[in-house]
Amino acid sequence: DVKVTQSSRYLVKRTGEKVFLECVQDMDHENMFWYRQDPGLGLRLIYFSYDVKMKEKGDIPEGYSVSREKKERFSLILESASTNQTSMYLCASSGTHNEQFFGPGTRLTVL
Amino acid sequence: QKEVEQDPGPLSVPEGAIVSLNCTYSNSAFQYFMWYRQYSRKGPELLMYTYSSGNKEDGRFTAQVDKSSKYISLFIRDSQPSDSATYLCAMSAGAGNQFYFGTGTSLTVIP
Repeated sequence: DVKVTQSSRYLVKRTGEKVFLECVQDMDHENMFWYRQDPGLGLRLIYFSYDVKMKEKGDIPEGYSVSREKKERFSLILESASTNQTSMYLCASSGTHNEQFFGPGTRLTVL
Repeated sequence: QKEVEQDPGPLSVPEGAIVSLNCTYSNSAFQYFMWYRQYSRKGPELLMYTYSSGNKEDGRFTAQVDKSSKYISLFIRDSQPSDSATYLCAMSAGAGNQFYFGTGTSLTVIP
């Protein structure tokens, strides 16, 4: 059974804190993605990576950075969390057949 | 113009009805088409995956792709209350490319 896991289901942080969201996939997929999902705005791509140590900006990269040191792990970093980064964060991965699988999501609240 | 358009609904049907969900798109380079089901506060779950044009059936679900009209559909037969969720369409031009999502259609199946 394919699996994408995320480190936390729920997270509460304070404004200005550095936040790490971890994602691990066990499908040996090349491509990994970070999205945020907000009511009325749908899924928006923050960053994606098509190989280890490679990263590409998505539609809304401002205020975020990413790290991909190993093929199976893709981390999203909020350098200095702000209240407008309160959202549902979704990690996904895709392989050669281009099917994209999602993790369970992390609901982040920034106070 | 958005890459992908999807009617947000909400859609409410009686149990046992046939449900039709649709998306239109503008980019003729899209080759891979997906439908996801997302329950409240959960990550999207891949339901159907289609490459290029044609139909694909899986149990009560049928996905159709009409590339000439840039139109995709998901049909749910004999709908059940457990089908109540938000359904997202997604598409991509191929490996290494971004995925583009509709904003989702909220479906409620009434017992």
